[in-house]
Amino acid sequence: NAGVTQTPKFQVLKTGQSMTLQCAQDMNHEYMSWYRQDPGMGLRLIHYSVGAGITDQGEVPNGYNVSRSTTEDFPLRLLSAAPSQTSVYFCASSLVGVGDYEQYFGPGTRLTVT
Amino acid sequence: GNSVTQMEGPVTLSEEAFLTINCTYTATGYPSLFWYVQYPGEGLQLLLKATKADDKGSNKGFEATYRKETTSFHLEKGSVQVSDSAVYFCALANQGAQKLVFGQGTRLTINP
Repeated sequence: NAGVTQTPKFQVLKTGQSMTLQCAQDMNHEYMSWYRQDPGMGLRLIHYSVGAGITDQGEVPNGYNVSRSTTEDFPLRLLSAAPSQTSVYFCASSLVGVGDYEQYFGPGTRLTVT
Repeated sequence: GNSVTQMEGPVTLSEEAFLTINCTYTATGYPSLFWYVQYPGEGLQLLLKATKADDKGSNKGFEATYRKETTSFHLEKGSVQVSDSAVYFCALANQGAQKLVFGQGTRLTINP
């Protein structure tokens, strides 16, 4: 199993450009989510999904779009990049149901917006 | 709302020293509590967890006890190693939910 994979590892964008961060998992997890990590602020939830076709907003959704057409993939779209979106982005996945299932994190994408 | 507060870092210790990283939380209901670890250049990994009051989570020599009366989940290790150098995150989730709320993280450096 590859677990949770993210591409690219690094990306530099100019203000106003758009891009998609890719996330895939091969563990058949229903739940997938995107976090951003900023110095001194921990990880903050951007969007999440509890299954194909179902997405919802987290704590900091503005400027980001998501969709979930398959169980495996959960891409994050930046429609018009801003310097405030410079951050490290992590995708995570887990099972859903009664009980506290471990979340598995990808290696992250470091994004710089100039 | 739910929130997690960790002790400010960075923390620097010598090998074999005793480690405590403080974590307190504010939550409605009875959350589950977690410690995640992030090694340099990697994503987060679950280190340990506790799902109810007085539960003790443990893994790799690390321990943390869920204290409802003090709303705390402090991370401890009796003798740290250089390989423990990483960033440690305390987090909570409402019971049966997947959404995690993280503390700000504590960077730990262990010197030989």
